Amino acid sequence: ETGVTQTPRHLVMGMTNKKSLKCEQHLGHNAMYWYKQSAKKPLELMFVYSLEERVENNSVPSRFSPECPNSSHLFLHLHTLQPEDSALYLCASSQDFRQVDEQFFGPGTRLTVL
Amino acid sequence: KNQVEQSPQSLIILEGKNCTLQCNYTVSPFSNLRWYKQDTGRGPVSLTIMTFSENTKSNGRYTATLDADTKQSSLHITASQLSDSASYICVVITSGTYKYIFGTGTRLKVLA
Repeated sequence: ETGVTQTPRHLVMGMTNKKSLKCEQHLGHNAMYWYKQSAKKPLELMFVYSLEERVENNSVPSRFSPECPNSSHLFLHLHTLQPEDSALYLCASSQDFRQVDEQFFGPGTRLTVL
Repeated sequence: KNQVEQSPQSLIILEGKNCTLQCNYTVSPFSNLRWYKQDTGRGPVSLTIMTFSENTKSNGRYTATLDADTKQSSLHITASQLSDSASYICVVITSGTYKYIFGTGTRLKVLA
């Protein structure tokens, strides 16, 4: 295990639902990340948090709303999603986002939007 | 534009055979290059990391090479095992901004 956990592992939701993805890291890292992984596409960085402060937001639609209450927890709130948002959502953490530290990934949440 | 391209897209080999995966990149400025292994239903796990001055780095049966002049890297897997079945992702990290530029991965399947 990498020390990064994600829940739920699988999620099916309708386009009008509201749900949240949770990530927790047990590594004492200061930076946390959300990535989207679609089939046959490179991982897409969505958000970066450093010490609970958002430091990067890569033109992600507002139907995705991140929250970082502390340096160990990261949430991704979902509402009014589209079928093309179906993907594997990966959370990662690293010691410091400003350095070349290894990112440790969680197992991901497989999201299906009907 | 910063890009990482991997080939082949998928590969099937018999258990015990060797294989080599390729990674070409057009990323600048370069800091280092990582190979990740991603098992089905799991997140990527780092296999190797190589800086500009390193040509070869090994991790058990995995050996990564880097040619910074031609901007190419390879991952060689020796004596493959069924557990090597996974996607292998090449990632180039930029210096200064520390952006992770991901390739699309090579899906490897090892058959008994």
